[in-house]
Amino acid sequence: SQTIHQWPATLVQPVGSPLSLECTVEGTSNPNLYWYRQAAGRGLQLLFYSVGIGQISSEVPQNLSASRPQDRQFILSSKKLLLSDSGFYLCAWRLAGPYNEQFFGPGTRLTVL
Amino acid sequence: LAKTTQPISMDSYEGQEVNITCSHNNIATNDYITWYQQFPSQGPRFIIQGYKTKVTNEVASLFIPADRKSSTLSLPRVSLSDTAVYYCLVGDKDSGAGSYQLTFGKGTKLSVIP
Repeated sequence: SQTIHQWPATLVQPVGSPLSLECTVEGTSNPNLYWYRQAAGRGLQLLFYSVGIGQISSEVPQNLSASRPQDRQFILSSKKLLLSDSGFYLCAWRLAGPYNEQFFGPGTRLTVL
Repeated sequence: LAKTTQPISMDSYEGQEVNITCSHNNIATNDYITWYQQFPSQGPRFIIQGYKTKVTNEVASLFIPADRKSSTLSLPRVSLSDTAVYYCLVGDKDSGAGSYQLTFGKGTKLSVIP
């Protein structure tokens, strides 16, 4: 069966510090991968998606970046965090094609102070 | 993608049937309707998907009228553990190269009261 892992579960970082969140998927090959952010009391905002190794598409310009060094690994990074980067970060995967179920990871709660 | 409109919040007592209606007047011919559920501090989870008439699974039922301009998610005999945000999604954005994107709105926050 497929599983998706995210770490860390929670993170408190000072403004201006770097960020690295990791997501890995098991039990499937060549998934589409996604990073979302959910600010407190708000909906999900798609940040990045990837259809393959090294292929990253950005939905929203910001000080975050994403990388996909391996087929089932997706990393979200920042060189310098802003207060506005606080939120709940979710990684997700689905198989290519329309109307396939999307599976979300457990999320990372990031607080920037 | 068709815009969706659903109530911001709903309250229900335990044991009642809950119906959440979503309006999507501009639904396209090829669009499916999908519902996701999100518990606090968790990622959304797929509940049900349909194209027309009625779909039922072990969790919920989805009613879609003939004109498909709305849909109703029905949760039978809710319990406290059904307290969550429910998202109605219509269509699936084609980003090319086999990639599709779900577009989440603000959802309906269901609160189940003892």
